Amino acid sequence: DPKIIQKPKYLVAVTGSEKILICEQYLGHNAMYWYRQSAKKPLEFMFSYSYQKLMDNQTASSRFQPQSSKKNHLDLQITALKPDDSATYFCASSQDRGGLQDTQYFGPGTRLLVL
Amino acid sequence: QQQVRQSPQSLTVWEGETAILNCSYEDSTFDYFPWYWQFPRESPALLIAIRPVSNKKEDGRFTIFFNKREKKLSLHITDSQPGDSATYFCAATSNYNVLYFGSGTKLTVEP
Repeated sequence: DPKIIQKPKYLVAVTGSEKILICEQYLGHNAMYWYRQSAKKPLEFMFSYSYQKLMDNQTASSRFQPQSSKKNHLDLQITALKPDDSATYFCASSQDRGGLQDTQYFGPGTRLLVL
Repeated sequence: QQQVRQSPQSLTVWEGETAILNCSYEDSTFDYFPWYWQFPRESPALLIAIRPVSNKKEDGRFTIFFNKREKKLSLHITDSQPGDSATYFCAATSNYNVLYFGSGTKLTVEP
């Protein structure tokens, strides 16, 4: 059974619209992350959460808003979509944030295409 | 400023040869260096990792060599197999666990 679920797998959106990317992890982890991968920037950190609190944000644009309704959920809302937002968005999780053996496990990704 | 740099961008070796992937970093506070590999249309997965207390970490055919003074590390894959063909990412983090990834090395192992 998949331990990190991301929905949808593929997403096509029009410029200016809003979408929510879903992430759920069943690893019992306390920290969750969002990364973005595109041809321009292979793997780019966006956000980290620990115990449902935002810990790090390296996304310049406020159009990207993470939302954590439960400890094992970290969704990503993207508003006013632009073609440059086209990328694969990976959710990841780890046991905790900053632990010595804190491997991050990646979900399967959501591939977003903005037309 | 790119925190982690990788070279070469792509590398082709023959089956049985040793592949050497290079990585360097800027931030001297980085204290954990995982290597991830990614197969086409899949997500990155942890391959092997090292902490600065060691200058070498070995796991089967995969070995990381670490040079703290020069802020460099390399991943050596001995007896390369076609199944090793993937993109390899060097990453680095300090105690906040934000992973900074390099741009990746695409390795092709020819049979």
